[in-house]
Amino acid sequence: NAGVTQTPKFRILKIGQSMTLQCTQDMNHNYMYWYRQDPGMGLKLIYYSVGAGITDKGEVPNGYNVSRSTTEDFPLRLELAAPSQTSVYFCASRLGLAGGSQQYFGPGTRLTVT
Amino acid sequence: TQLLEQSPQFLSIQEGENLTVYCNSSSVFSSLQWYRQEPGEGPVLLVTVVTGGEVKKLKRLTFQFGDARKDSSLHITAAQPGDTGLYLCADFRMLNAGGTSYGKLTFGQGTILTVHP
Repeated sequence: NAGVTQTPKFRILKIGQSMTLQCTQDMNHNYMYWYRQDPGMGLKLIYYSVGAGITDKGEVPNGYNVSRSTTEDFPLRLELAAPSQTSVYFCASRLGLAGGSQQYFGPGTRLTVT
Repeated sequence: TQLLEQSPQFLSIQEGENLTVYCNSSSVFSSLQWYRQEPGEGPVLLVTVVTGGEVKKLKRLTFQFGDARKDSSLHITAAQPGDTGLYLCADFRMLNAGGTSYGKLTFGQGTILTVHP
């Protein structure tokens, strides 16, 4: 089991460029999440998915889009990158919603927009 | 909107010292979780507590949940360099959007712990 994998690990974008952050999990989890983590701040939820074909906005969705065509993959798309999107992005997945169930995080993608 | 405040924001200590970090919520926790995040990695779950007054131990780590379920502490005994990292508290709760249930984690800003050899 590789768990949750993310690519790329690092990326520098120019303002106005677009990119897709990839996330894959091999645990057959239904629930998947995208977070961003800014220095001195906790993780903020961008988008989530409860299963293939079902996605919804989290707390900070502006400037991002997602899709979930398979159980395994949950890519995050940035359109027209802005400096405010400079952050570390984490993808996560979980099997169920019981309070004690574990949420597994990927290693993150560090994105800089200049 | 629930706000989680963690203190201190930074902690730098020598190996062998004891320490305590705190997490306070603006509203009652549904299910409190503590995570540790090492540089360049994602957060990893340490413990989940749900009952007010609950105390859980994980080797040298002791987690305490306040009776009113609005605060928690993490105590580390005889800290080691391997304990270095960002410690995050989070509230996990089930929410419903458009008839679909999903689980949401709300995080505090974290305590950055550095343990020097």
